Amino acid sequence: DAGVIQSPRHEVTEMGQEVTLRCKPISGHDYLFWYRQTMMRGLELLIYFNNNVPIDDSGMPEDRFSAKMPNASFSTLKIQPSEPRDSAVYFCASRGLETGELFFGEGSRLTVL
Amino acid sequence: DAKTTQPPSMDCAEGRAANLPCNHSTISGNEYVYWYRQIHSQGPQYIIHGLKNNETNEMASLIITEDRKSSTLILPHATLRDTAVYYCIVRVKGAQKLVFGQGTRLTINP
Repeated sequence: DAGVIQSPRHEVTEMGQEVTLRCKPISGHDYLFWYRQTMMRGLELLIYFNNNVPIDDSGMPEDRFSAKMPNASFSTLKIQPSEPRDSAVYFCASRGLETGELFFGEGSRLTVL
Repeated sequence: DAKTTQPPSMDCAEGRAANLPCNHSTISGNEYVYWYRQIHSQGPQYIIHGLKNNETNEMASLIITEDRKSSTLILPHATLRDTAVYYCIVRVKGAQKLVFGQGTRLTINP
């Protein structure tokens, strides 16, 4: 298996632009998580899905952030409009029902100018 | 989930055993201890987990005290590639959320 796949790996954009980050979980995994990592706040859980349904989005910072999972093999995290304080590395992770461990992607490094 | 306390940083010589401590004095009976690590600019990687017995796999060993209030992750023969931030997390095995603290930044020196 190729593991969790995220794209883009790097994104540089200007304030006010829409940003879409994409994630393909490991096949057969039914939980998907979005994390954000910054130097100041460390790794923060933003939202997670179970069987494509959002379960807990309490970590989503504000209405500018939205996440979807239209099917078992694809999820997006969208920021509209983006702001400089959104600059961070965004990680996607997945896990199966029977295992305790998460498998993380390589992350998407976002820079908002 | 129970709170964990880890030293912010540690150093270890290459080839020696690296012992990373974690305190989790408020752990409850059904909470497991998980360890992850994050090598620079990569996503976190699962290492090992345990409930109350010591555990060993190809990456590391996990020693949990009898009262379960603390644990130690052991990398038996540390290499330069083991330089990373190591996170100790306690949670109920079926719980969905995995909440990361600040971890321990381990530096392996040649």
